[in-house]
Amino acid sequence: NAGVTQTPKFQVLKTGQSMTLQCAQDMNHEYMSWYRQDPGMGLRLIHYSVGAGITDQGEVPNGYNVSRSTTEDFPLRLLSAAPSQTSVYFCASSRQGGSYEQYFGPGTRLTVT
Amino acid sequence: AQSVTQPDIHITVSEGASLELRCNYSYGATPYLFWYVQSPGQGLQLLLKYFSGDTLVQGIKGFEAEFKRSQSSFNLRKPSVHWSDAAEYFCAVGVSGGYQKVTFGTGTKLQVIP
Repeated sequence: NAGVTQTPKFQVLKTGQSMTLQCAQDMNHEYMSWYRQDPGMGLRLIHYSVGAGITDQGEVPNGYNVSRSTTEDFPLRLLSAAPSQTSVYFCASSRQGGSYEQYFGPGTRLTVT
Repeated sequence: AQSVTQPDIHITVSEGASLELRCNYSYGATPYLFWYVQSPGQGLQLLLKYFSGDTLVQGIKGFEAEFKRSQSSFNLRKPSVHWSDAAEYFCAVGVSGGYQKVTFGTGTKLQVIP
């Protein structure tokens, strides 16, 4: 049972490049989320999904796209990277039904130059 | 909307000393409250949670937290800190509804000195 996995661990992009951050979970959790972590700002929700085919925006969605075609996978796409997107990105999953406990991946550290 | 305040950005304690990390929340109804810990370069791990019932909750690694509704607080405590407790700690509040939205505080970084 690997839990929540994220790839890559580190990435450097140039402004304007695109990329996809991968996230997968093997716990059959219904809910999945993407957060970004910036110094002094805690974790901020980018996008979330309550099930395959259903996604919605969090508090900082601009510049990011998501889709969820399977229960297991929840990729985050940066269409045109900007320096303001330099951050550490965490994917999390949780079970529907009241637990609220989020299981986090190890994170992806992204630098946009 | 719900919010979480962690007033201490950085705390330093000596190994073996007691610890209390402060957390205040704002939410109209009874909140779901959490403490997570993040070791350097790692993701977040749940330490403990409060949903209802006993206001003193026990967690992993010897941590406990007390929910005080009158003070809108959920402070984290440990009677004797170990060097391995050095990490960043996040308080969070959950909002009931169709999606389990969790709002995180800005974190408190704990340094442990010998």
